[in-house]
Formats: sequence, structure tokens, C-alpha cells
Amino acid sequence: RKEVEQDPGPFNVPEGATVAFNCTYSNSASQSFFWYRQDCRKEPKLLMSVYSSGNEDGRFTAQLNRASQYISLLIRDSKLSDSATYLCVVKRARGSSNTGKLIFGQGTTLQVKP
Amino acid sequence: GAVVSQHPSWVICKSGTSVKIECRSLDFQATTMFWYRQFPKQSLMLMATSNEGSKATYEQGVEKDKFLINHASLTLSTLTVTSAHPEDSSFYICSARGGEAGIGTDTQYFGPGTRLTVL
Repeated sequence: RKEVEQDPGPFNVPEGATVAFNCTYSNSASQSFFWYRQDCRKEPKLLMSVYSSGNEDGRFTAQLNRASQYISLLIRDSKLSDSATYLCVVKRARGSSNTGKLIFGQGTTLQVKP
Repeated sequence: GAVVSQHPSWVICKSGTSVKIECRSLDFQATTMFWYRQFPKQSLMLMATSNEGSKATYEQGVEKDKFLINHASLTLSTLTVTSAHPEDSSFYICSARGGEAGIGTDTQYFGPGTRLTVL
């Protein structure tokens, strides 16, 4: 089983739609959680961190449920420019055998159409 | 924000040759650098973690003799793919994590990636 699981999609939505992505992680010792965005043939870029209290950045809302080990990303009023792959990322706690490394999900592809 | 560069951005080589990829932190000192590999439609997979001045720590299944990592300074890490074969064709991405005030010690900054094609 993968440590971070996402539905790869693709999600094809019209402009203006609201779309939600989900992610589950298996390691309960995970410390930090993020959503990254990756455009085709480019490096991943941090979209937002995810907190248990939920956090919002403009049209993007992220939620974390530690009990269920579940992370979500909601995009409202989708734009054409939102088309990309969204990566769910989990960071393990630093420890003697860890370096706080990032574990990436497979990514969910979003295509926003006019 | 912090900038990480990679060179080359793409490379095509013949099977059996060695390829060196450079990763530089341009405006901060990176105490730790990470090397990832991404195959088409797959996730980024961590290959190894390197700390300046010490040997890299490789992930399970990654051959350390094939993927040589050198992190000789706080701003430069190199990944050498030795005797490359077509199955090594992939997108190689580095990231750097800072270790001084002003640059978050928990934030990783990604390079733009290097696309390797082995014929």
C-alpha cells in the first residue's frame, strides 16, 4: 500500500465549477501536510500547507483530519489556469532515521475546460 | 523566495555513458539536499538525501554505486548517473533545505528538474 494515496483522475470540470480532491496517508507519525501543484514537465510548487483547523487561501481550502488520516483540497470557481496535477504531500517527523523527508502522492490531474 | 537551479535542464545521451546533474542553491546555504526521480504519470520518488560534507543516505532500492551523489559545499550537490541505460530515462528533481536564520529550516525549495533521455 502506498504511504500517500490519491485518486489520479483526471477530473474534467467546466470553468467556474467547484472541485474537491481527497488524499489519505498511512503513517500516523506524519507531522506536516501540504498540497503542491505540478504543471506538465515542471517542478512541483507549494500551493498551501494543511492544518487541522482548516485553512483557506483565496479560492483554495484545505482540510486535515488526523483521526481519519485524510486530507482534502477544495477549489472554488475553477479557472482554466488551475489545470495541473495536484500532489498531496506528507512530511515525516525528523528523527534519528528520518530527515523530515517529503512523501508525495501520485497526484490528481485537473483539467478545467472553457 | 529562495531559488534552486539545476543544470542541465535536459540531456540526451547514449546508453553506457555517465551523466552529471548539478543542483545549486542560489541565495541560501542548503544544509540538506534531496534528489527525486519522477517517471511519466507517477509520483516523485525520493532517491537520496545528502547533507553537506557527509555521505548521502539512499532510499531502499536505489543503487548508490549507480547514482553517485556529492554534496561538497553548502550551495552545490551533484547527481551522477553512471553507465546510464534507457530505463534510467526520467525527470530528476533536486530540492534544497536551508539551515540558517531567514531561510526556513523546514522548507524545501525545488529545482526546475532535469529531463534525462538515454538512447
